[in-house]
Amino acid sequence: NAGVTQTPKFQVLKTGQSMTLQCAQDMNHEYMSWYRQDPGMGLRLIHYSVGAGITDQGEVPNGYNVSRSTTEDFPLRLLSAAPSQTSVYFCASSYSGRGGLYNEQFFGPGTRLTVL
Amino acid sequence: KQEVTQIPAALSVPEGENLVLNCSFTDSAIYNLQWFRQDPGKGLTSLLLIQSSQREQTSGRLNASLDKSSGRSTLYIAASQPGDSATYLCAVSNAGNNRKLIWGLGTSLGVNP
Repeated sequence: NAGVTQTPKFQVLKTGQSMTLQCAQDMNHEYMSWYRQDPGMGLRLIHYSVGAGITDQGEVPNGYNVSRSTTEDFPLRLLSAAPSQTSVYFCASSYSGRGGLYNEQFFGPGTRLTVL
Repeated sequence: KQEVTQIPAALSVPEGENLVLNCSFTDSAIYNLQWFRQDPGKGLTSLLLIQSSQREQTSGRLNASLDKSSGRSTLYIAASQPGDSATYLCAVSNAGNNRKLIWGLGTSLGVNP
């Protein structure tokens, strides 16, 4: 298994540009999520999905969109990039066992985004 | 509102020493607690997950304990090695919404040869 993969690894954008961060997992996990990690603020949840066709907002959703058309993929879209979105972005997935039990989360290697 | 604190923020020890990393949380109604390791410029690797009904979990030289009533977890690393140098993060999920993780800021560990 490749686990959780993210592309690109690095990206530089200009203010106002849009882009999509890709995330894929091959573990048939129902639950997927996006976090951003900033110095002194820890990891913060942006959006998450409990299955194909279902998404919901996390702590810091403004400026980001997501969709979940398949179990494997969970792309994160920046609509109009701002310098405040400079961060490291992590995608994670986990299996939801019977009764919606929450299990171990697996993380991708991250995307380092700089917005100028 | 659940808050997670990790103390100390940084720790430096000589190789071979046994050490304890601390994690505290304000709301004892958790679903589980997870310890992660993050190497510089890398993603996060799950080390141990403790369900709310468990008291501890062990993996190799790592042992994590959980005391829900006092809102504390410890990660014990035995016979530390330079390869253990990394940032260690703890995260909890609340019983009310068990899919969301609330994170501490981590402890940066350096093990000196």
